[in-house]
Amino acid sequence: DTGVSQNPRHKITKRGQNVTFRCDPISEHNRLYWYRQTLGQGPEFLTYFQNEAQLEKSRLLSDRFSAERPKGSFSTLEIQRTEQGDSAMYLCASSMTGGSSYEQYFGPGTRLTVT
Amino acid sequence: RKEVEQDPGPFNVPEGATVAFNCTYSNSASQSFFWYRQDCRKEPKLLMSVYSSGNEDGRFTAQLNRASQYISLLIRDSKLSDSATYLCVVNTNAGKSTFGDGTTLTVKP
Repeated sequence: DTGVSQNPRHKITKRGQNVTFRCDPISEHNRLYWYRQTLGQGPEFLTYFQNEAQLEKSRLLSDRFSAERPKGSFSTLEIQRTEQGDSAMYLCASSMTGGSSYEQYFGPGTRLTVT
Repeated sequence: RKEVEQDPGPFNVPEGATVAFNCTYSNSASQSFFWYRQDCRKEPKLLMSVYSSGNEDGRFTAQLNRASQYISLLIRDSKLSDSATYLCVVNTNAGKSTFGDGTTLTVKP
């Protein structure tokens, strides 16, 4: 399977704990995006990378959230000191630049539940 | 006001019906536009890009009106399998995508 993969698929954690999610993009894609989605809403942009550079970060991304893409391949999203309001589906997507640019392909998501 | 707005529906239509969804966006500098389909508790899947000249893919037709800042999706001859949430997506610059909250379609036998 050469699509976008995300791990874990589900995560249940207690409030105050730290969690880390991983995303592996489609191998030839140089852009990687993170979104958060709650029930009844569309995906909400968090941040994106082009290769290893983090080019934009949403104002919604508090300092408890950090994302990395150290070698321009996989990415991690860490949430520190989780809060119940962090419960959501965290989606990763990847795309190329140029050509059919910015058509994003999504992974299956990581569903986070903070108790 | 949200940057990208869609009628949430739900749209309940019989099989074989034609249904149209609209989406409006507020940023006139928006550069690229897409429709995605999302099934319940699944990830969004790209349905089609939307070009200025309009484009068609089988039963699906997408159109863009830059002057009025809206995008439309027309589905002809609806199938039961078309039941899903349809998300309008606008790229406001080279990197950031803004999603609408989606329009829910239920096609009934």
